[in-house]
Amino acid sequence: DARVTQTPRHKVTEMGQEVTMRCQPILGHNTVFWYRQTMMQGLELLAYFRNRAPLDDSGMPKDRFSAEMPDATLATLKIQPSEPRDSAVYFCASGDLRDGDVVFTDTQYFGPGTRLTVL
Amino acid sequence: KNEVEQSPQNLTAQEGEFITINCSYSVGISALHWLQQHPGGGIVSLFMLSSGKKKHGRLIATINIQEKHSSLHITASHPRDSAVYICAGQSNTGNQFYFGTGTSLTVIP
Repeated sequence: DARVTQTPRHKVTEMGQEVTMRCQPILGHNTVFWYRQTMMQGLELLAYFRNRAPLDDSGMPKDRFSAEMPDATLATLKIQPSEPRDSAVYFCASGDLRDGDVVFTDTQYFGPGTRLTVL
Repeated sequence: KNEVEQSPQNLTAQEGEFITINCSYSVGISALHWLQQHPGGGIVSLFMLSSGKKKHGRLIATINIQEKHSSLHITASHPRDSAVYICAGQSNTGNQFYFGTGTSLTVIP
């Protein structure tokens, strides 16, 4: 049963520390998304990759956040330095994007999320 | 004003009732997504649609492009349908999602 996995599931850290969240997309999917969910803002799209290349990261605070896909089986979201306002649940999702198309041909498959608390 | 508005915010129904959740949007979109978030936090993508209607089991999603409106219907509701339902419009360029604030559904046995 293919699914998106995320690690860690929970992370508590102190302000100023570096946080790295990892996501393993479903094998064969060519698009990976990073979302953040807070009570105040709801769901927000931070960034997404297609075929490992960043397609858009305009939703991501550039000064402290970075997202990468070292290979097709791993996506990372890093916060350095972390701040209390970064406390949220971070979801990764994967899906398929057709060549030359911006509309997804399939639904997105969400991981279980990483609940981050920055003290 | 949010680009995507959902109604109602909260909904309580008796098991077996027919449920409708509405989503209106004010921006141009290429597709609209319906997501279900379970009480434990997990998110499931239910539908992606750009026109017409889609059906999956007891769930039906419709979209009216001219009226910029989408609905999610649940027939014969069941307590396990209790969740937050979120609609999200995908921008015409594909690189932005406009999320509604969610509808919290509770189905009582």
